[in-house]
Amino acid sequence: QKEVEQNSGPLSVPEGAIASLNCTYSDRGSQSFFWYRQYSGKSPELIMSIYSNGDKEDGRFTAQLNKASQYVSLLIRDSQPSDSATYLCAVNDYKLSFGAGTTVTVRA
Amino acid sequence: EAGVTQFPSHSVIEKGQTVTLRCDPISGHDNLYWYRRVMGKEIKFLLHFVKESKQDESGMPNNRFLAERTGGTYSTLKVQPAELEDSGVYFCASSQDWLREQYFGPGTRLTVT
Repeated sequence: QKEVEQNSGPLSVPEGAIASLNCTYSDRGSQSFFWYRQYSGKSPELIMSIYSNGDKEDGRFTAQLNKASQYVSLLIRDSQPSDSATYLCAVNDYKLSFGAGTTVTVRA
Repeated sequence: EAGVTQFPSHSVIEKGQTVTLRCDPISGHDNLYWYRRVMGKEIKFLLHFVKESKQDESGMPNNRFLAERTGGTYSTLKVQPAELEDSGVYFCASSQDWLREQYFGPGTRLTVT
């Protein structure tokens, strides 16, 4: 079993819609969780961090964490064409373990 | 505040040669990490420095890879001798402490021919 698994993509959503990204992880002891956005040929850009159960909102992004279910998600509201990228879930246990990423395409 | 910087952005070397990658973390970040992405795979951890000490080098592929962080500031990652399978993008990241957010540099794309 992979340490971090993300829902397979690609994910195509119309402009203005909500994009929903999911991630599960295997290590129950993990304490911090990050979502990165990566444009093609670029490095990962941190967009959200979450440390405790529940929701965390930042602008159009909402991260949700459920440690009991070992599940973390990212919602992108009012999706824009500029949101088209690969989104990486990363789980921190003194080092980051990354999922394979979910590619999101926002259709204008 | 300047972000994480890496040099060079791209390196093309022949098998058997030596390459040294450099990373300058965000000022004040004691924690420095090296990661690598090889073609078609996830980003994988290589090693973690806290100041000048190697905290975890469990991800280093073999003894052809040597990382240093003299003085606890910038870090270098040397590959000697390079093999074809070393090709990929090498990322450096830094954070204030191990639990906090890690910020990535632009990466060095290494091509071994």
